[in-house]
Amino acid sequence: QVQLVQSGAEVKKPGASVKLSCKASGYTFSSYAMQWVRQAPGQRPEWMGWINAANGNTKYSRNFQDRVTITRDTFATTTYMELSDLRSEDTAVYYCARVQGQYYYMDVWGKGTTVTVSS
Amino acid sequence: DIVMTQSPDSLAVSLGERATINCKSSQSVIYSSNNKSYLAWYQQKPGQPPKLLIYWASTRESGVPDRFSGSGSGTDFTLTISSLQSEDVAVYYCQQYYFTRWTFGQGTKVGI
Repeated sequence: QVQLVQSGAEVKKPGASVKLSCKASGYTFSSYAMQWVRQAPGQRPEWMGWINAANGNTKYSRNFQDRVTITRDTFATTTYMELSDLRSEDTAVYYCARVQGQYYYMDVWGKGTTVTVSS
Repeated sequence: DIVMTQSPDSLAVSLGERATINCKSSQSVIYSSNNKSYLAWYQQKPGQPPKLLIYWASTRESGVPDRFSGSGSGTDFTLTISSLQSEDVAVYYCQQYYFTRWTFGQGTKVGI
């Protein structure tokens, strides 16, 4: 079955970087784009960025433009999201989600990775 | 960016009763070329990721019970749960994909 398996929880200090992974299985990896979405406690989901798994093209939210990098490894069927210069307000659950039609809705989600930023 | 606003923020519904959630976008999310509304609905239970319920404003995702229905067009959309079940207690989000800067509503918490 289609699955997105995300890496484990992270605890980071302010100013550090974190790199999360999302391994896809059960479908043709390069046929779908992937999104990264984060959700702070009690808040709505917030879109961070998008990657075309076939060619690696990316698109980022203006809110994270200079701090986020999304990459993929087609052989490992894995997508990565790196967020730099972490702040306490980056404490959230980070999700990867498969995108239908390259640009449409998100039909499969990973279980999420909790990132805690604390000194 | 398109701003999505849901109403109400929360509602309490008796088991077996109807629940109605509204979502308004700050601009139309219909593409004139295909007349489709680029609007999805998700359900999120505590400790779980969002789950896709409805896309294209009214198309139910495979496996979603038919008590869930979506309607609307332009800037105003509605998610209806026709007969609330205990397992439907959750937060519901609308999301637009008209602009490829995807945005979500603030969520509506449905309880009993």
